[in-house]
Amino acid sequence: KAGVTQTPRYLIKTRGQQVTLSCSPISGHRSVSWYQQTPGQGLQFLFEYFSETQRNKGNFPGRFSGRQFSNSRSEMNVSTLELGDSALYLCASSLSSSPYEQYFGPGTRLTVT
Amino acid sequence: GESVGLHLPTLSVQEGDNSIINCAYSNSASDYFIWYKQESGKGPQFIIDIRSNMDKRQGQRVTVLLNKTVKHLSLQIAATQPGDSAVYFCAETINTGGFKTIFGAGTRLFVKA
Repeated sequence: KAGVTQTPRYLIKTRGQQVTLSCSPISGHRSVSWYQQTPGQGLQFLFEYFSETQRNKGNFPGRFSGRQFSNSRSEMNVSTLELGDSALYLCASSLSSSPYEQYFGPGTRLTVT
Repeated sequence: GESVGLHLPTLSVQEGDNSIINCAYSNSASDYFIWYKQESGKGPQFIIDIRSNMDKRQGQRVTVLLNKTVKHLSLQIAATQPGDSAVYFCAETINTGGFKTIFGAGTRLFVKA
């Protein structure tokens, strides 16, 4: 069974631009969560989706948004990029029967210049 | 606010010795506690979890201990091997309809051959 995949793996953007990251969960997993990982702040929860609905949101500004499609694939969008948005963005999926056992993708490394 | 932290940012052990990684958490409402392992260039990998109504759980070479009285979590790795070298994160998960996972800062484990 294929793992969680994220595209693109690396991305360089300029301040003020917007970016969309994609996540394909493990087949059968309906819950998808997004995290931001930086050396200074560690792993921080962005949001969680289940059946196309956002069930939880972390403490990030409204520039960070996401969505989930009917096939459970998810995207997150960051608008008006700031230098501080440079980070590794991780997606994780889980079964609805075992929501706490999350499987992570390799992440998308975003660099904002 | 909610937070999960670690007592030791780095830990160096001799191959074959046992390792103990500690973690403090602050949210009494957390349902599950999870340990993840993250190797360089990869997303976190689920190791073991424990429900809030348990105080010990064992896996293959790993044991997690939960002390709710002092809000302390630990991961014990028996007979540590070079392949165990990684960053270890503790995390607490809160069920709020959906669920939200809060990660600790991480401990880097070095295994000396």
